[in-house]
Parts: sequence; C-alpha cells; structure tokens
Amino acid sequence: AQSVTQLGSHVSVSEGALVLLRCNYSSSVPPYLFWYVQYPNQGLQLLLKYTSAATLVKGINGFEAEFKKSETSFHLTKPSAHMSDAAEYFCAVSDPNSGGYQKVTFGTGTKLQVIP
Amino acid sequence: NAGVTQTPKFQVLKTGQSMTLQCAQDMNHEYMSWYRQDPGMGLRLIHYSVGAGITDQGEVPNGYNVSRSTTEDFPLRLLSAAPSQTSVYFCASRGRANSNQPQHFGDGTRLSIL
Repeated sequence: AQSVTQLGSHVSVSEGALVLLRCNYSSSVPPYLFWYVQYPNQGLQLLLKYTSAATLVKGINGFEAEFKKSETSFHLTKPSAHMSDAAEYFCAVSDPNSGGYQKVTFGTGTKLQVIP
Repeated sequence: NAGVTQTPKFQVLKTGQSMTLQCAQDMNHEYMSWYRQDPGMGLRLIHYSVGAGITDQGEVPNGYNVSRSTTEDFPLRLLSAAPSQTSVYFCASRGRANSNQPQHFGDGTRLSIL
C-alpha cells in the first residue's frame, strides 16, 4: 500500500527566505508524485508532478521538487518566499502499476505562513 | 472552460436530513471522484467513477451514495446526515486512467451538520 508523510503541519518562513516542505512516500514501485497547493476557500491546484522522467521537477510559481529514490523523498522548495505563497500544500502519491482507477493518496498537508 | 463546478458552496443541515452535492465538469473527463477534507487528515477518497454508469467505493464510503448517468455529472448524496459528516467536500476529475495525469478540483462545498 502506498502512503505519504508530510513532516510539519505548519511551517513559517520570512519573506525572501528559502521554503522547504518535506514529503516522504512509501510505495512498492517507483511512484508518480505530485505537489498541490490550496489557497483559502479554493480547491487544490497542481504545482508540479514527477512521472519517472527528470528527478528535478520544476513547477509553477518558482517551486521545484527533487525525487530521491534512496531517501524515498520528494521535498518541495522555493529559493525565495513571497507573501502570495501562503497556502496549504499537499503531497500526493499514486502507483502506476495499480491498474484500473489508480487511486491517489494525499498527505495531511502543510500550511505555509510567510512573515513580512 | 469552467473546469469542475460544485454546488452549493455552503450548506447547513440538521441531523437526519438528506441532500445532494452537485459536481459537473466540462472537460470530457472519464474519471471523477469525491473527497472529504478534514483538519489534519488531508483528503480522503469517498467514491469514484471511471465512466458513465460505473462507480466504486473509496476509503470512506459509509453514509454516501453516488451515481454517474452522464460523463459530465457526478452527484454525491448524503442519505441521513450525521455530525461526523461535517467537512469540506471536493469533487475532482481526471482525463485518463493513468494516474500521471493531475486531477482538476472544484472549489469545494462546505457542509455543516447540526
């Protein structure tokens, strides 16, 4: 069974500082991995995804994530935080070999606060 | 394109009442799903559909029914509302079976059961 662990339910950074949101996964096969962002009172929007191509994935709004198989990690980073980055971020995993619907499992989310 | 549209955006129910949460997508996606979002628990899959006429249970299906008579619509029914069903409900769609495709989410329905 696949699972996702996001370390830290709340993360605070100063504006202009590095953003690092952690995600570790458990999967029996190389998975597909996603980061989604949720702004208040909105649904989730895709930030980026890893689907077994390049291990460093670039997404929207200056975010990127690196797939590290040896560490079973897919941490999200951004070099310089902006006030508009304040949101909740979800890591998600799916098993490409599961067949049928191929369910996606979400982490519990990390709320990012950006301090002026 | 409107994407995924959910109605209503907010709803308050009394225990025991029934209601239907509506979800429609205009992207001709085959795959649709319903999630509930609760604090500290992320998103949990309630029901999903791989095409018109085909539905299946997810992780937390009890107390909910779904049907899929058309590609566009995927309503979620609460049969007899309970306070434990107070949550934010999201509908999502995906174009292909292969899960490397991202899901498109609606803006959610915020449901309170008194």
